[in-house]
Amino acid sequence: DVKVTQSSRYLVKRTGEKVFLECVQDMDHENMFWYRQDPGLGLRLIYFSYDVKMKEKGDIPEGYSVSREKKERFSLILESASTNQTSMYLCASSLGGVQAETQYFGPGTRLLVL
Amino acid sequence: GENVEQHPSTLSVQEGDSAVIKCTYSDSASNYFPWYKQELGKGPQLIIDIRSNVGEKKDQRIAVTLNKTAKHFSLHITETQPEDSAVYFCAASASGSARQLTFGSGTQLTVLP
Repeated sequence: DVKVTQSSRYLVKRTGEKVFLECVQDMDHENMFWYRQDPGLGLRLIYFSYDVKMKEKGDIPEGYSVSREKKERFSLILESASTNQTSMYLCASSLGGVQAETQYFGPGTRLLVL
Repeated sequence: GENVEQHPSTLSVQEGDSAVIKCTYSDSASNYFPWYKQELGKGPQLIIDIRSNVGEKKDQRIAVTLNKTAKHFSLHITETQPEDSAVYFCAASASGSARQLTFGSGTQLTVLP
């Protein structure tokens, strides 16, 4: 069964803290994605990766960075958290190749920055 | 880049009635259009998708139609049930990178018993 797991369901951090969100998939997928979900704005792509150590910016990369050292793991890093980064963060993965295809999502991490 | 607009933002229907959600896209090169369902406390899950060489696709009570000329596609749910209550997202593949999807803003569907 397809599975994408995220390290935390809920997270509370202070402004200025460094925040790590971890995502692991067990499907040997090539592609991994990080989105943020805000009411009325849908899902917006922050970064994605199509291979180990490879990354590409999405639509809203400012204030975020990512790391993919192993195929199954994709980390989202907030270098200095700010209140406008309070949101739901969703990780997803897809099989691979250049053709768009089904993305499998994790349950999400709800981050609150105080 | 690609822009996807989704309407309506909220939709309430009586159990047993049909529900229709519509999306438009801007990039004529887009060729993949999935629909995702997000239940409370869960991540989105694919329910149906369509590629640009097909005009309609059906899976039991769910169907998707695509009009490439007008650049719009729709989700149709017939004989709605309370378990269909969820947020639904449409998406389209971006022309710049075929791996990427651009999502609509979502529709909260409520099926009233």
